[in-house]
Amino acid sequence: DAGVIQSPRHEVTEMGQEVTLRCKPISGHNSLFWYRQTMMRGLELLIYFNNNVPIDDSGMPEDRFSAKMPNASFSTLKIQPSEPRDSAVYFCASSLRRGAFFGQGTRLTVV
Amino acid sequence: GESVGLHLPTLSVQEGDNSIINCAYSNSASDYFIWYKQESGKGPQFIIDIRSNMDKRQGQRVTVLLNKTVKHLSLQIAATQPGDSAVYFCAERNGGYNKLIFGAGTRLAVHP
Repeated sequence: DAGVIQSPRHEVTEMGQEVTLRCKPISGHNSLFWYRQTMMRGLELLIYFNNNVPIDDSGMPEDRFSAKMPNASFSTLKIQPSEPRDSAVYFCASSLRRGAFFGQGTRLTVV
Repeated sequence: GESVGLHLPTLSVQEGDNSIINCAYSNSASDYFIWYKQESGKGPQFIIDIRSNMDKRQGQRVTVLLNKTVKHLSLQIAATQPGDSAVYFCAERNGGYNKLIFGAGTRLAVHP
């Protein structure tokens, strides 16, 4: 099993640009989570899906953030427009029963 | 940029000693707990989990203890090795669908 796959691993973009982060969960997992990690706030849950349906997006910081899961094997997190304070490492994780398994993350830098 | 960040507590141990990392969780209704290890530049890695109907669970070189009375979780690592150096997070399941809320983390530094 390849584990959770995220792309890109690193993204540098200018303020105001649209950024799209991608995630492929572990095959067969039915829950998917997007987390953000910063020095200031640690690991924060942004949104999670179950069977491709968004369950709780209360952690999404602003309307600039949106997430989709069009099918069981793919999810995106989009930031439009991006701001320097969005700079962080974004993790995707998937789960079936026990625990949640994380990807390697996307390090986003907005300049 | 950010000039103030989370101050992660650091546990420094000698190689070969046992390590104990502690965590206080927030919600008395949480029913499932996990310890994760995060190495630099990587995602959190599942180490061991425990359900709230248990107070102890053992894995390979690791033991998790749960005290629901005081909402406390600990991770014990036996014979700590340099490869154990990382940041360790406890996570509690709060709600359905394995929604996990993470603690701030503890940095473990293993010295030869």
